[in-house]
Amino acid sequence: GAVVSQHPSWVICKSGTSVKIECRSLDFQATTMFWYRQFPKQSLMLMATSNEGSKATYEQGVEKDKFLINHASLTLSTLTVTSAHPEDSSFYICSANNRYEQYFGPGTRLTVT
Amino acid sequence: DAKTTQPTSMDCAEGRAANLPCNHSTISGNEYVYWYRQIHSQGPQYIIHGLKNNETNEMASLIITEDRKSSTLILPHATLRDTAVYYCIVRGYTGNQFYFGTGTSLTVIP
Repeated sequence: GAVVSQHPSWVICKSGTSVKIECRSLDFQATTMFWYRQFPKQSLMLMATSNEGSKATYEQGVEKDKFLINHASLTLSTLTVTSAHPEDSSFYICSANNRYEQYFGPGTRLTVT
Repeated sequence: DAKTTQPTSMDCAEGRAANLPCNHSTISGNEYVYWYRQIHSQGPQYIIHGLKNNETNEMASLIITEDRKSSTLILPHATLRDTAVYYCIVRGYTGNQFYFGTGTSLTVIP
């Protein structure tokens, strides 16, 4: 089946720095990708919809200036967490549509110290 | 916002069928029911989806009630590797966003 990859799989950064997470659809083109955040023992929370060639659509309560999304090609979307703080530590997961299914990446564990 | 409700947790004996219920009483006529599962610290894995009719694939069966207000995911012969959190999601035909509910934590017991 279709595969979505994420890089890095885990990252540790210092408070105040920015971190970029990549999401790639490996064997299909995705005009739309999605970014989720998941805290321990909680469900996935949709953060934003990433549209190729246009601005991302953010869910209510998600700061667009803090979570910068770029979808420059049909196979790549990036999420940049700017000026990260410890409360941004979480599991970030992306997904991409392929026909009727939404394929999820393996996730990126972000720890901000 | 999530449009589904599921029991928080369930246990199932290995080799037996696991029946996971989901309520989606506000589902619209053109909205699909999707099931995914998530094993600890991994991305969700697609299981099955349906609109009106019951569906079956190599992983599971999906039974949707006639009024479409609820559904049941059936894992016919649960194994230890089926231990995971199972999410029932309602997806619109035109909108592709998935809003996850709390899911059901299934534990398969040896």
